[in-house]
Amino acid sequence: DTGVSQDPRHKITKRGQNVTFRCDPISEHNRLYWYRQTLGQGPEFLTYFQNEAQLEKSRLLSDRFSAERPKGSFSTLEIQRTEQGDSAMYLCASSLRAGTNTEAFFGQGTRLTVV
Amino acid sequence: QKEVEQNSGPLSVPEGAIASLNCTYSDRGSQSFFWYRQYSGKSPELIMSIYSNGDKEDGRFTAQLNKASQYVSLLIRDSQPSDSATYLCAVDGGDYKLSFGAGTTVTVRA
Repeated sequence: DTGVSQDPRHKITKRGQNVTFRCDPISEHNRLYWYRQTLGQGPEFLTYFQNEAQLEKSRLLSDRFSAERPKGSFSTLEIQRTEQGDSAMYLCASSLRAGTNTEAFFGQGTRLTVV
Repeated sequence: QKEVEQNSGPLSVPEGAIASLNCTYSDRGSQSFFWYRQYSGKSPELIMSIYSNGDKEDGRFTAQLNKASQYVSLLIRDSQPSDSATYLCAVDGGDYKLSFGAGTTVTVRA
């Protein structure tokens, strides 16, 4: 399977703990995105990378959130000092920058529950 | 602020009928438009992309775009129970990130 892969699929953590999620994009894609989705809402943009450069961060992304994409391959999203409001599905997507085609493909998501 | 609005639904259609989903967007500079299907508890799956005014057909799906009216729609012909899902409209405002609507839930009655 050459789609976007996310790990773990589910994470339950206690409030105040740190968590880290991983995303492996489609191999030839140079753009990688993180979104967050809560029940009944569409995904909300968090941040994106072109190759290894983080080009934009949403104002939704507080100082407790950090994302990296070393060497322009996989990416990690870390949440420090988790809060109950962080409970959501965290989605990673990737796309290939090619003219006007900006189709983005999502991974299976990581469902985070903060207790 | 870029807004994408969809009929909240739920939309219930009988099997074999046409399901019609609508989406409007606020940013006139938007370049690319997408429809994603999301089954309950799963991640969004890209089903259609459209970049220019008019219709685009792919199997039982037809996307329609009218940039002057800032409107994009999705028609599902010959609806099947497997089409029961939430359909998300997504808009790329030219900055390569997507703004999503809240989705329309479709239920196809057998």
